Amino acid sequence: AAGVIQSPRHLIKEKRETATLKCYPIPRHDTVYWYQQGPGQDPQFLISFYEKMQSDKGSIPDRFSAQQFSDYHSELNMSSLELGDSALYFCASSLLGGNEQFFGPGTRLTVL
Amino acid sequence: ILNVEQSPQSLHVQEGDSTNFTCSFPSSNFYALHWYRWETAKSPEALFVMTLNGDEKKKGRISATLNTKEGYSYLYIKGSQPEDSATYLCAFMTYNQGGKLIFGQGTELSVKP
Repeated sequence: AAGVIQSPRHLIKEKRETATLKCYPIPRHDTVYWYQQGPGQDPQFLISFYEKMQSDKGSIPDRFSAQQFSDYHSELNMSSLELGDSALYFCASSLLGGNEQFFGPGTRLTVL
Repeated sequence: ILNVEQSPQSLHVQEGDSTNFTCSFPSSNFYALHWYRWETAKSPEALFVMTLNGDEKKKGRISATLNTKEGYSYLYIKGSQPEDSATYLCAFMTYNQGGKLIFGQGTELSVKP
């Protein structure tokens, strides 16, 4: 069965650079969630989208933006990267109203 | 601030041992409680989604219970095997939070042959 795909799996950037993370949900899933897990921390909710519209927003810095496209894939854009942005970024997808969220393997971002 | 607490943080058991861990969550505005199994470099795998007080769910040697009134869930593994070694995450969902999950810090299980 198709799973959630995230790319790239690993990314190394310098401070003040930009990064774009991509998430491809399970086919027919209309809702995408982004989570950030810093070293030794719980995964924290960043933002979610349903049918290309932002549906909820968590503790996402203003330097980050995200969108969901017509094919339901989503991109998380991160600018002016800081050392503290180094984390594992998970994407999950679901059907609206469905309880279950299916996670991708994550993108590990390292900011040097 | 909604807090989800898991205990213990880590657990080392021998093959064949049975084990259990706890997830504590706020009892108000409860909608669902999720359990995930996460191996390093892989996607977190959904184990259970529990919604009803008193729910008990089972998948093979793994089972879970839910008490929404007192705000806790237990995950049990019977006869642990080395392949059960992983981090077990619980996550809480409320009615008015748009489906986002609030995670605990996980319990890291290591099963020695």
